[in-house]
Amino acid sequence: QKEVEQDPGPLSVPEGAIVSLNCTYSNSAFQYFMWYRQYSRKGPELLMYTYSSGNKEDGRFTAQVDKSSKYISLFIRDSQPSDSATYLCAMSVVRLQGAQKLVFGQGTRLTINP
Amino acid sequence: ETGVTQTPRHLVMGMTNKKSLKCEQHLGHNAMYWYKQSAKKPLELMFVYNFKEQTENNSVPSRFSPECPNSSHLFLHLHTLQPEDSALYLCASSAISRRGDNEQFFGPGTRLTVL
Repeated sequence: QKEVEQDPGPLSVPEGAIVSLNCTYSNSAFQYFMWYRQYSRKGPELLMYTYSSGNKEDGRFTAQVDKSSKYISLFIRDSQPSDSATYLCAMSVVRLQGAQKLVFGQGTRLTINP
Repeated sequence: ETGVTQTPRHLVMGMTNKKSLKCEQHLGHNAMYWYKQSAKKPLELMFVYNFKEQTENNSVPSRFSPECPNSSHLFLHLHTLQPEDSALYLCASSAISRRGDNEQFFGPGTRLTVL
């Protein structure tokens, strides 16, 4: 079983739709949960991160973590064509010193159609 | 731009060649990472350097040899690669914080093709 599972898609929705992206994981020690966005021919960029369980909102984006179900979600409201990208979930165990080892999902390719 | 640059952006090499990938970060970070991104697979962590010391080698074959001469530069030396090593190689850097929420900033990657 993979540590992090993410449906690779592709996912195609019309402009203005609400998009839901999800990941499940098996390691209960994960404490930091991140969503990265990767445009074509670019490296991933951090979109949102949450610590432990709960919700976090930033503009049109909402990240949710349900540690009891080992399930995280990213919601995009009023989706725009510029949101078309691959979305990667990533997780890590808290490490108080030193570099952070991230475990990534496969990534979901999202297309927003005008 | 993220403050992390990688050269070359594209590289085609034969299985007997030796080449090197270069990464430079301008963010004052102390940790640097190499990742491999293959089609239909998750990003795979290859190496981690923390204050120039290698702290993680994720069972990477010896045909990949990292070098970190200082906290701003990271190299990946390649020799006798296999066609299955063709992938996007991404470099990242991060600060070190006591809380552990160290955002990693990625470079644009080097697209490597092994013939």
